[in-house]
Amino acid sequence: ETGVTQSPTHLIKTRGQQVTLRCSSQSGHNTVSWYQQALGQGPQFIFQYYREEENGRGNFPPRFSGLQFPNYSSELNVNALELDDSALYLCASSVDGQGASGYTFGSGTRLTVV
Amino acid sequence: DQQVKQNSPSLSVQEGRISILNCDYTNSMFDYFLWYKKYPAEGPTFLISISSIKDKNEDGRFTVFLNKSAKHLSLHIVPSQPGDSAVYFCAASASGGYNKLIFGAGTRLAVHP
Repeated sequence: ETGVTQSPTHLIKTRGQQVTLRCSSQSGHNTVSWYQQALGQGPQFIFQYYREEENGRGNFPPRFSGLQFPNYSSELNVNALELDDSALYLCASSVDGQGASGYTFGSGTRLTVV
Repeated sequence: DQQVKQNSPSLSVQEGRISILNCDYTNSMFDYFLWYKKYPAEGPTFLISISSIKDKNEDGRFTVFLNKSAKHLSLHIVPSQPGDSAVYFCAASASGGYNKLIFGAGTRLAVHP
């Protein structure tokens, strides 16, 4: 098992730009969830993908979008970046049927919008 | 609208003593609760969970208690060890632990030798 890998680990972007964050799921995991963790807060659910289809979304605007690929790796795309998008972005993979107790989280991507 | 609240940002405990971390929630639709531990520069790791049909779940040194009428859960760590020093997040789900989790803001536990 290689765990969940996120890239890049740190990123600085300018307001209005677009960003793509990547997540490589743990081997055998077919479900991926993305969370945003602002400073001093707990992670907030962005969306979840299962077998390349979005099957749940949190209270985030459409400029937050995602993809899951046939190998179950995933991307989070954010358009028109705002200062408040500065946060730690976490992805978590799991096997269908295991639920959150089976989540393996990556170490996250720290995004700073200036 | 904070549906899951961890009102203590930090807790300091002596090694060997009990650590009690608390969590309150407002949504009566939550049916599954989890605790995660997070070390710096690492992702959260699952610690223990409890279904709303139970009031207690134990796993080694860790016990989670659920009081549905009070909408309150707590995590007990006995005995506490220095390696337990981390940020602890309480999370709740209205879908049996599948899909969306609502997290609290976390409690930083420091266990001193």
